Amino acid sequence: GEDVEQSLFLSVREGDSSVINCTYTDSSSTYLYWYKQEPGAGLQLLTYIFSNMDMKQDQRLTVLLNKKDKHLSLRIADTQTGDSAIYFCAAGNTGGFKTIFGAGTRLFVKA
Amino acid sequence: EAGVVQSPRYKIIEKKQPVAFWCNPISGHNTLYWYLQNLGQGPELLIRYENEEAVDDSQLPKDRFSAERLKGVDSTLKIQPAELGDSAVYLCASSLSGGSENEQFFGPGTRLTVL
Repeated sequence: GEDVEQSLFLSVREGDSSVINCTYTDSSSTYLYWYKQEPGAGLQLLTYIFSNMDMKQDQRLTVLLNKKDKHLSLRIADTQTGDSAIYFCAAGNTGGFKTIFGAGTRLFVKA
Repeated sequence: EAGVVQSPRYKIIEKKQPVAFWCNPISGHNTLYWYLQNLGQGPELLIRYENEEAVDDSQLPKDRFSAERLKGVDSTLKIQPAELGDSAVYLCASSLSGGSENEQFFGPGTRLTVL
C-alpha cells in the first residue's frame, strides 16, 4: 500500500533552524501536508503544498517539495521551545479524502 | 467557533467489554472521519462519512467495530467486544466537502486502555 516515511526524532537548540524530512510513495498525491500534534491534543494543520509547487513559505515555515524524488521537507526558522511537538507529514489525493499519514517526527527544542 | 468535540477523553475498560466514543464535528462540516492512532504512529483511517453515508469503511474491522452518523452531524464509534490490542487513541476529524485542499480539523481524541 501507499506509505509515508519520516525520521522519528529531531533535537535542535532554541534559535536554530529545524528541518524535518519526509518521503512518500504515491506519485498521484495532489496535496502534501504538515500537521502538528501537541501532547494530549489532536493534529493541527500547519501548512500544505500543492503538488505542482516546489516551495511554499509561510512566516517561519518553509516547505520544499521534490516531486521527482517524492521528498518533502519542513523548515522551521528560529525554532522556539513552543515548537516542541510531533510533526506529521501526510500525502493526500485531490479532495484529500485519501490521506496517508507518516508516523510523526518528535521535535525537541533545547533552551 | 467550537472545534471538534470528542468524549470521553479517557476510557479504561476490561477486555471483552463494549465501549463507545462520541464525536461532534465542526458545524457545517459534512465530512467526518474516525482514525485510530497507535502509540508512536500516525493516524490510520477507520471510516469516513459524507453526511450520514459511510463512503469509506474498508479499514474498519467490522467483526467488532461499528459506527453511525444517523443525522449527518454527530457520530458514535463502538467496539464490542474490546480486545487488548484495541488500546490506542481514537481521533475524530471533520472537513468541508468541496474544499480542494481538504483541511481536516481534529478533535483531541479518546485514549482507550483495555486491561
